Amino acid sequence: SQKIEQNSEALNIQEGKTATLTCNYTNYSPAYLQWYRQDPGRGPVFLLLIRENEKEKRKERLKVTFDTTLKQSLFHITASQPADSATYLCALALYSSASKIIFGSGTRLSIRP
Amino acid sequence: ETGVTQTPRHLVMGMTNKKSLKCEQHLGHNAMYWYKQSAKKPLELMFVYSLEERVENNSVPSRFSPECPNSSHLFLHLHTLQPEDSALYLCASSQDVGDNEQFFGPGTRLTVL
Repeated sequence: SQKIEQNSEALNIQEGKTATLTCNYTNYSPAYLQWYRQDPGRGPVFLLLIRENEKEKRKERLKVTFDTTLKQSLFHITASQPADSATYLCALALYSSASKIIFGSGTRLSIRP
Repeated sequence: ETGVTQTPRHLVMGMTNKKSLKCEQHLGHNAMYWYKQSAKKPLELMFVYSLEERVENNSVPSRFSPECPNSSHLFLHLHTLQPEDSALYLCASSQDVGDNEQFFGPGTRLTVL
C-alpha cells in the first residue's frame, strides 16, 4: 500500500539546536516533495520544494534533503527559535497525476527557550 | 496574507441544513483546490479545478458539491452532512495544476451537530 509517514507526532528540542524532521514514503514515484508549515488555526504555508533529481535545497536556516533510494526526505532547522514552533507537513507530488499532492500527517515541533 | 480568503471562518450546522463555504483568491491563479483536514489525519484532497473545470474528484460523497464559477472563486455546497464531516476545510490555489507551490486560505472550521 502507499504511505507517507512523518517520523513522530511531536518533537521537543532546546532553542539553538538543530531540529530534524523525517518524511518517509512507500510505493510512490514522486516528481517532487514539498515542506509546509502550519500554525494553529491557519492554513499551511509553503517553505521549500525539492525535485527528485536534487539531493539538497537550502533557504536561510532551512535545509531539505531528498534520497529517492531510501525514499526519505529530511527537513532541518538550524539555530532553532521558539518562533519555529509549529506543525510541519511534507507533501509528495506524483508523476502519475499532475493535480495530486499527497500530504503526511505532520510533526508538531516545539522549541523551548 | 496569503492572497486566499475563506468565509465563514467558523460554521456550526445541523445534519439537515444546507450551507456553502466560499473561497476567493486574489493571485491570478488558474487552479483551485478543496482539502479536508481532520484531527490527527493528513490533509485529504477533495476537489481540483483548473480554469473552472473540475480535474480531480477524490471519491468525495455527493453531500459535498463544489462549484467554480470563475478562476477566482470556489464554493463548497454542503447538505445533509454527518457529524464525521466536522473538520477544517481548506481552500488553496496555485498558478496552474501541478504547479510547485500551493497558497492556502485560513480554512473554515465546520462543526456538524
